[in-house]
Amino acid sequence: AQTVTQSQPEMSVQEAETVTLSCTYDTSESNYYLFWYKQPPSRQMILVIRQEAYKQQNATENRFSVNFQKAAKSFSLKISDSQLGDTAMYFCAFMKLHGGATNKLIFGTGTLLAVQP
Amino acid sequence: NAGVTQTPKFQVLKTGQSMTLQCAQDMNHNSMYWYRQDPGMGLRLIYYSASEGTTDKGEVPNGYNVSRLNKREFSLRLESAAPSQTSVYFCASSESGPGKLFFGSGTQLSVL
Repeated sequence: AQTVTQSQPEMSVQEAETVTLSCTYDTSESNYYLFWYKQPPSRQMILVIRQEAYKQQNATENRFSVNFQKAAKSFSLKISDSQLGDTAMYFCAFMKLHGGATNKLIFGTGTLLAVQP
Repeated sequence: NAGVTQTPKFQVLKTGQSMTLQCAQDMNHNSMYWYRQDPGMGLRLIYYSASEGTTDKGEVPNGYNVSRLNKREFSLRLESAAPSQTSVYFCASSESGPGKLFFGSGTQLSVL
């Protein structure tokens, strides 16, 4: 079975600084996707970034980038130029590619990020 | 563009009561999901539906039933609510094939 571990329950960063959130996962699969979701106080789950395991290049979305280390099974999220609106719970998630129609996500326990003014 | 709509947003039940959480999506997605979110445990899959007319158990299905009424709607029913079912429930949908999930805004359920 796949597992996703986020070892940092809470983190804090000053506005405009850079912060890295850690995520490790365990799987015997070779084809899969990894995701970072953001959950602000509104509760809405928002996709931040997605990485396909077969791609060596790290995904980037504006101020958000990942460091994907497939051999180490590590998938960290870097937030540059942190903004107050980045304050949220961040979830790392794993999706196995099994050729089926459904996209079942396995989530980590989350990291609560507070951006301080 | 409504996306995924869940009702109600908040609900308080007494132990033993029943209720149905409603979910509808307007994106013509085939697959739909129900997750629950508990502090310190992330989101866990309760049930999912790959297409209209099919449903399958996820990681934590005990105490729940689901109905995929049509392509748009996927409901979650608690037949006899228990305090252990106090949680935030999220419905989600996705297109066929690997891709991202679109989530509703959640239902906060308290069972006293």
